[in-house]
Amino acid sequence: GQNIDQPTEMTATEGAIVQINCTYQTSGFNGLFWYQQHAGEAPTFLSYNVLDGLEEKGRFSSFLSRSKGYSYLLLKELQMKDSASYLCAFMDSNYQLIWGAGTKLIIKP
Amino acid sequence: GAVVSQHPSWVICKSGTSVKIECRSLDFQATTMFWYRQFPKQSLMLMATSNEGSKATYEQGVEKDKFLINHASLTLSTLTVTSAHPEDSSFYICSARGGTSQTLPQETQYFGPGTRLLVL
Repeated sequence: GQNIDQPTEMTATEGAIVQINCTYQTSGFNGLFWYQQHAGEAPTFLSYNVLDGLEEKGRFSSFLSRSKGYSYLLLKELQMKDSASYLCAFMDSNYQLIWGAGTKLIIKP
Repeated sequence: GAVVSQHPSWVICKSGTSVKIECRSLDFQATTMFWYRQFPKQSLMLMATSNEGSKATYEQGVEKDKFLINHASLTLSTLTVTSAHPEDSSFYICSARGGTSQTLPQETQYFGPGTRLLVL
């Protein structure tokens, strides 16, 4: 079967670093996406990983380990505007996205 | 870029009326469009997958006669909520894939800004 899991909620402090984990199980895999969704808005694309390793893009980095079925999104130098839900989703063998429930990130001053 | 628009952004209607929501890919041809629904503080729920020129594929539990989807061209898909009731009030989001990028797969989904529906 297929499943994907990420924490429901996390809290971090402005200026700090936070890591949001995502684990998944699937027989067919064509990459993993991270999206950011602010309250009341649609998701926006953050990153895509299909090979193992770390992809860095400014303050945000995303990591993938296909053998472990594991990914994380790393946010550095947290800003208040980073308060949002972060959705991970993997693409299965049919190129359909399987979505996690999202992690609500709360940033405190 | 890969820009997707939705119209309208807000709809308030009376119970029993039908509401049409448009989703357009502005700068690319979308081979496939997706319709999602999201209730407050809940995750995205895929309603249906729509390919241009063919019937939409609905997810289990989604009534195809209530949520009519038309994908008449490579840049436009519409979702019509027929005989809307208060329980249909939700945030409806479309996404489209098929954009051209040198770094991202063609299967990357780009989201519209969403349509908030309130049925009184």
